[in-house]
Amino acid sequence: DGGITQSPKYLFRKEGQNVTLSCEQNLNHDAMYWYRQDPGQGLRLIYYSQIVNDFQKGDIAEGYSVSREKKESFPLTVTSAQKNPTAFYLCASRAVQGHTDTQYFGPGTRLTVL
Amino acid sequence: GQNIDQPTEMTATEGAIVQINCTYQTSGFNGLFWYQQHAGEAPTFLSYNVLDGLEEKGRFSSFLSRSKGYSYLLLKELQMKDSASYLCAVMDSNYQLIWGAGTKLIIKP
Repeated sequence: DGGITQSPKYLFRKEGQNVTLSCEQNLNHDAMYWYRQDPGQGLRLIYYSQIVNDFQKGDIAEGYSVSREKKESFPLTVTSAQKNPTAFYLCASRAVQGHTDTQYFGPGTRLTVL
Repeated sequence: GQNIDQPTEMTATEGAIVQINCTYQTSGFNGLFWYQQHAGEAPTFLSYNVLDGLEEKGRFSSFLSRSKGYSYLLLKELQMKDSASYLCAVMDSNYQLIWGAGTKLIIKP
């Protein structure tokens, strides 16, 4: 089955620790995205990657890092520099077919920093 | 700045019709999207409008007026499973999605 997977679904970490969230897709999509969702707010873009070995900062990149060594994988590291890391993190990939251009999401990782 | 506005919460009755509005001001426009998000889950794609007019897909329809910066999502024959948040997003001139905060739809029997 084709799709986007994120692991783990729930993650708990102590303050000051770095943590890496996994995102894998087997849809052969070039572009991938990381968003953060907080209650009462719209999704906010952290980082995105249009092709392998290239990525760009989104609106709230501070305290986060990414890599894109393979087309299928786009892991996100939440560093200790991120001041308020507790949130729901969503990974997406983009499908461009004809005149349609749509992002599809993985199931998300809920990170809680204690 | 870029802005997407939609109501925070709406309530409707099972079997009825509800319209969720979205207004936007963005730098450029390359399409408007509606997503459904159940509590604790990821958003799922519902519809995409890039030209003015109404797009119908089963019980759900989406309308766009680019000149007014306005869209609505129309849900007919409401079912309890339609209780969810509905997210409006606009693709700007850089092909990035700008998101509204979402409308929580509560369906009552």
